[in-house]
Amino acid sequence: GAVVSQHPSRVICKSGTSVKIECRSLDFQATTMFWYRQFPKQSLMLMATSNEGSKATYEQGVEKDKFLINHASLTLSTLTVTSAHPEDSSFYICSARVGGADGGTQYFGPGTRLTVL
Amino acid sequence: GQNIDQPTEMTATEGAIVQINCTYQTSGFNGLFWYQQHAGEAPTFLSYNVLDGLEEKGRFSSFLSRSKGYSYLLLKELQMKDSASYLCASMDSNYQLIWGAGTKLIIKP
Repeated sequence: GAVVSQHPSRVICKSGTSVKIECRSLDFQATTMFWYRQFPKQSLMLMATSNEGSKATYEQGVEKDKFLINHASLTLSTLTVTSAHPEDSSFYICSARVGGADGGTQYFGPGTRLTVL
Repeated sequence: GQNIDQPTEMTATEGAIVQINCTYQTSGFNGLFWYQQHAGEAPTFLSYNVLDGLEEKGRFSSFLSRSKGYSYLLLKELQMKDSASYLCASMDSNYQLIWGAGTKLIIKP
């Protein structure tokens, strides 16, 4: 149980284009999903917390107009990188939280490696 | 402030035992998580501790001391496939995970 999928796994795009990444919880409903970014040899950086049916909460320094998050259902959240630039090249990982009295364990999708040329 | 400390890198021998330590300071505490991350892949959940003591799960065990703000991950009978980064994360009072930078574990034959 607690499987999270992410699509696409890898994307290469030209500078200035937009890229959409999907995150799905396959066997459970996730009221909360998280979007992380990880640069090579660095730790996970939380970008935003996505709650179903409401606006995402962005971490300090993350541009909400550049990284659009939509959490339209209990099993799907999307991250759109708008007008991507080479510095946006990174490993983007989503996670979904399984609700519980403990606050819930986060399960990660396999990640999307974005390369902006 | 909130802070998670864990060693940057450790080296161990195949078949041996290794202990990866983590100390944490967070605003409130709702549990301590350990994740494994192989290079180029997303993290996978290993363990969760919210009460003091040792939780054993096969070759992996995790320990928590809340009074000391301390946890460790114990890996026994090390295998080459255990070479990975191990991430310690503390859940704060808002149920947000505060992540350590990860410990890169290198296993030598």
